[in-house]
Amino acid sequence: LAKTTQPISMDSYEGQEVNITCSHNNIATNDYITWYQQFPSQGPRFIIQGYKTKVTNEVASLFIPADRKSSTLSLPRVSLSDTAVYYCLVGRDNYGQNFVFGPGTRLSVLP
Amino acid sequence: DADVTQTPRNRITKTGKRIMLECSQTKGHDRMYWYRQDPGLGLRLIYYSFDVKDINKGEISDGYSVSRQAQAKFSLSLESAIPNQTALYFCATSYRGGGGNEQFFGPGTRLTVL
Repeated sequence: LAKTTQPISMDSYEGQEVNITCSHNNIATNDYITWYQQFPSQGPRFIIQGYKTKVTNEVASLFIPADRKSSTLSLPRVSLSDTAVYYCLVGRDNYGQNFVFGPGTRLSVLP
Repeated sequence: DADVTQTPRNRITKTGKRIMLECSQTKGHDRMYWYRQDPGLGLRLIYYSFDVKDINKGEISDGYSVSRQAQAKFSLSLESAIPNQTALYFCATSYRGGGGNEQFFGPGTRLTVL
């Protein structure tokens, strides 16, 4: 299993850009990097996914260096509603054994 | 995701009782999953099913069983509930292909075992 490491918590202020980095030193050649967001008492919600370089959607950007041993989720201009737990996962094709949610990063956005 | 529903949403039961949690999906996905989440922790995989005839144990399957009655339905049973099974339970679905790991989660079932 490709294990991930990310900060336990982060604080930010409204309007700032937030970058959350995830380490995955043992990522396999075919693994994708996937990020989820979870609000209290709700199921996780898919944010973004990538394999290499940079991916951007309407919610976030994902930066992946050439060695793919880490990745950075970038949230532009956060608001209070972005306060949540963010999970980084690596794996391929939804293989259940590869789908491991660690404790995630608890992001608190302050006014 | 409104296309993935779970029943009941909340359940309080007593030690030793048999409990069934149900999950239904209208997304047409072939793969379904059951997770549990304890306070302050990430999700842990209990069972997953890649199609009706394929069921696999996850990280923490002891004390649980599942049934995939149809492509759209995946039930989780606690044969004899114990207090340390008190947790938030999530069902999720996904589809084969695409190479990635996008899953769609239900709203969760909060289970309390007294």
